[in-house]
Amino acid sequence: KNQVEQSPQSLIILEGKNCTLQCNYTVSPFSNLRWYKQDTGRGPVSLTIMTFSENTKSNGRYTATLDADTKQSSLHITASQLSDSASYICVVSLSGAGSYQLTFGKGTKLSVIP
Amino acid sequence: DGGITQSPKYLFRKEGQNVTLSCEQNLNHDAMYWYRQDPGQGLRLIYYSQIVNDFQKGDIAEGYSVSREKKESFPLTVTSAQKNPTAFYLCASSIGGTHARNTEAFFGQGTRLTVV
Repeated sequence: KNQVEQSPQSLIILEGKNCTLQCNYTVSPFSNLRWYKQDTGRGPVSLTIMTFSENTKSNGRYTATLDADTKQSSLHITASQLSDSASYICVVSLSGAGSYQLTFGKGTKLSVIP
Repeated sequence: DGGITQSPKYLFRKEGQNVTLSCEQNLNHDAMYWYRQDPGQGLRLIYYSQIVNDFQKGDIAEGYSVSREKKESFPLTVTSAQKNPTAFYLCASSIGGTHARNTEAFFGQGTRLTVV
């Protein structure tokens, strides 16, 4: 069964600190992996998309890594800000016949406190 | 502004009633999707459409119906057959299928449906 597991479920950090969120997946065949940020009560917004050949991708203070061999990804947030408080969702896309579907993780809820 | 718009933001439904959620996009995207989000769960696909006048069931289509008469519009009807309709509904669109390399899926701001 195709699954995406994220950890931790929730995280509280002080403003200015760094943090790393984890994503493990069993989706196969793999096409790409995405990280989204979702503010409470809003739609998800894309942070990064990586294909199997990409190891790392940055978007400002957000850096995503991908190890397609171990099927693991991480999202590193540098110098956190209060506005980073949100849920971060890892999403994996299938390739091939099932290619119109995305498999979503349950998300990591990040709270940045002053 | 280009984007994807969902309305209304909040919707209340009495048991036994059908309700329709609106989703409009001006991004000229071919594909559109409806997802349901429940607390503590990942998004689940209800229906998707790759082209006008065609749509496919997702993982949890029972109790829902859609139409795709125009490229820009993909309304979702929550019927009385949906036993647990209270949820946050998200519409998305993309240029092509989401399998395509680096094809982005853009989401609307969601509609929160509550059964009263």
